[in-house]
Amino acid sequence: DTAVSQTPKYLVTQMGNDKSIKCEQNLGHDTMYWYKQDSKKFLKIMFSYNNKELIINETVPNRFSPKSPDKAHLNLHINSLELGDSAVYFCASSPYPMGDGPSSYNSPLHFGNGTRLTVT
Amino acid sequence: QKEVEQDPGPLSVPEGAIVSLNCTYSNSAFQYFMWYRQYSRKGPELLMYTYSSGNKEDGRFTAQVDKSSKYISLFIRDSQPSDSATYLCAMSQPSGTYKYIFGTGTRLKVLA
Repeated sequence: DTAVSQTPKYLVTQMGNDKSIKCEQNLGHDTMYWYKQDSKKFLKIMFSYNNKELIINETVPNRFSPKSPDKAHLNLHINSLELGDSAVYFCASSPYPMGDGPSSYNSPLHFGNGTRLTVT
Repeated sequence: QKEVEQDPGPLSVPEGAIVSLNCTYSNSAFQYFMWYRQYSRKGPELLMYTYSSGNKEDGRFTAQVDKSSKYISLFIRDSQPSDSATYLCAMSQPSGTYKYIFGTGTRLKVLA
């Protein structure tokens, strides 16, 4: 009954390959996110979808393409993997996008346990 | 200058100590302030959140926000070895940016 689950947990691949990471949430949230965490633990947002619509698209190489088939799923496809793509990728969800609810109501993020991507 | 600054540590304390973890920020529009705890090889989990200024207490944890100084703190009383983790602050503004900005995290070790 994991709230936000991602697969795979570990991904080791060679430069130039294409890979996908899948994410599912069973919290009934409208909004899902992909975050990248580097070796220094810095979490940086990559993408966000609200009810299948892209609402955040940070400065990320276009080799990264998110897809949201429905509001409970958000996948990340990465083409032509590079050494610098090695990181932990976290999926997260929140009830709604920050800024859309009542001003005093928070919409905290719920994270999955991450996918550790190693590009060799 | 990063929007959110946090001392990376590591911070080592004996069991039972009071721990103070801090973040400073530069964007005065931030209104939501959160603390996440991240164990090794796990995703961050939400510990505390506060809206605007003030204090909030939950068990051994107290979150404090000082908007005039652009400074937030998390206090852990009677720290336990199980509190050993990385603590990340996060903050957001209410007006439709849809983004949470995270600090780089402080690694805490509570020694038995």
